Amino acid sequence: DAKTTQPPSMDCAEGRAANLPCNHSTISGNEYVYWYRQIHSQGPQYIIHGLKNNETNEMASLIITEDRKSSTLILPHATLRDTAVYYCIVRGLNTGANSKLTFGKGITLSVRP
Amino acid sequence: EPEVTQTPSHQVTQMGQEVILRCVPISNHLYFYWYRQILGQKVEFLVSFYNNEISEKSEIFDDQFSVERPDGSNFTLKIRSTKLEDSAMYFCASALGGSYEQYFGPGTRLTVT
Repeated sequence: DAKTTQPPSMDCAEGRAANLPCNHSTISGNEYVYWYRQIHSQGPQYIIHGLKNNETNEMASLIITEDRKSSTLILPHATLRDTAVYYCIVRGLNTGANSKLTFGKGITLSVRP
Repeated sequence: EPEVTQTPSHQVTQMGQEVILRCVPISNHLYFYWYRQILGQKVEFLVSFYNNEISEKSEIFDDQFSVERPDGSNFTLKIRSTKLEDSAMYFCASALGGSYEQYFGPGTRLTVT
């Protein structure tokens, strides 16, 4: 079972920042937080991951609270093409062979014009 | 940018028939995965493959399923005797290492009639 909880849906206006929350209160010290998204039944797309420091790449920023029990994915300037299901996934470090991703239901982000 | 490819995009088969779904992972990746997504449901892990052997499999991956890396570039999923409930999107993924981010293909839609 997924170790994260996300609201089922949210929306935001095009051009505005989209802040997607995730709770992972049972995360352990060697587990990373990963974010993927799935646009309309396409293959899941990797976005970003982090352990405890905030991370930023060309797609998004990831803010992890100091206690690591929750995180927020930020899409700084959402576009209509960002409409998708976003998955927050917790996965162990150095998982080696046991490296599967466990997907939950995710949060459906709808970007409105 | 390198990407995972899958063929065919859509496969229709009759119940009881064998199907082979094909994937070409990213060339320098060492870990390979199959996931499936039944319409309207979560993405589910099936199997992971490393060093020419299965490293982990889920309860779904029973004796009807098998995987193979026949020629060093392709990665295949075989379902020996398809059932109606095997109808789903099947996603292949690959990763550089077990704890690295996974990159997914576009999926094969399998329809069993």
